[in-house]
Amino acid sequence: KQEVTQIPAALSVPEGENLVLNCSFTDSAIYNLQWFRQDPGKGLTSLLLIQSSQREQTSGRLNASLDKSSGRSTLYIAASQPGDSATYLCAVRLGYSTLTFGKGTMLLVSP
Amino acid sequence: DAGVTQSPTHLIKTRGQQVTLRCSPKSGHDTVSWYQQALGQGPQFIFQYYEEEERQRGNFPDRFSGHQFPNYSSELNVNALLLGDSALYLCASSGGTGQNTEAFFGQGTRLTVV
Repeated sequence: KQEVTQIPAALSVPEGENLVLNCSFTDSAIYNLQWFRQDPGKGLTSLLLIQSSQREQTSGRLNASLDKSSGRSTLYIAASQPGDSATYLCAVRLGYSTLTFGKGTMLLVSP
Repeated sequence: DAGVTQSPTHLIKTRGQQVTLRCSPKSGHDTVSWYQQALGQGPQFIFQYYEEEERQRGNFPDRFSGHQFPNYSSELNVNALLLGDSALYLCASSGGTGQNTEAFFGQGTRLTVV
């Protein structure tokens, strides 16, 4: 059974800091991995998709890496802003099937 | 493109009642998945529909059922509601089966069972 773990569970940083969120998974036979952002009480917004054959993806200030063999992914956020405050979720996909999610990292960026 | 839309956004039901939640997928997507998210937890997979058939199911009781229509929209039905069914219900749509399959989520339906 695929299990996804996210560390840390919560993170508080001052504006402008660079930060790293971690995601680990137990079954390396994944098709892809997605990072999502979730604002309180809202749905999920897809941030980055990394295919299993890729090592990293970048979008603006976000960079996600994938090391499939070790079952790890990181989300790097550069020059954090208060608007980045949200919960960040990592999810892995096995084949055409479902996504398995971690519990998320709650990020607070203070001005 | 309106993206994935869910209705209603909020719902309050009494224990023992039945509820129906609705989802319209992103244009061009043929697969709809439903997830339950309890407070402080990651979303948990309920089931997935493709070509109007349930393709895969998570560890949820038979009280949870669904349907997909020819236009790919979907419904989630929950019978005999329990207090523990209170959660955010998320619908996701996707298209294709390759490595580039990306899931897009709706804004969710907040269900409160009292």
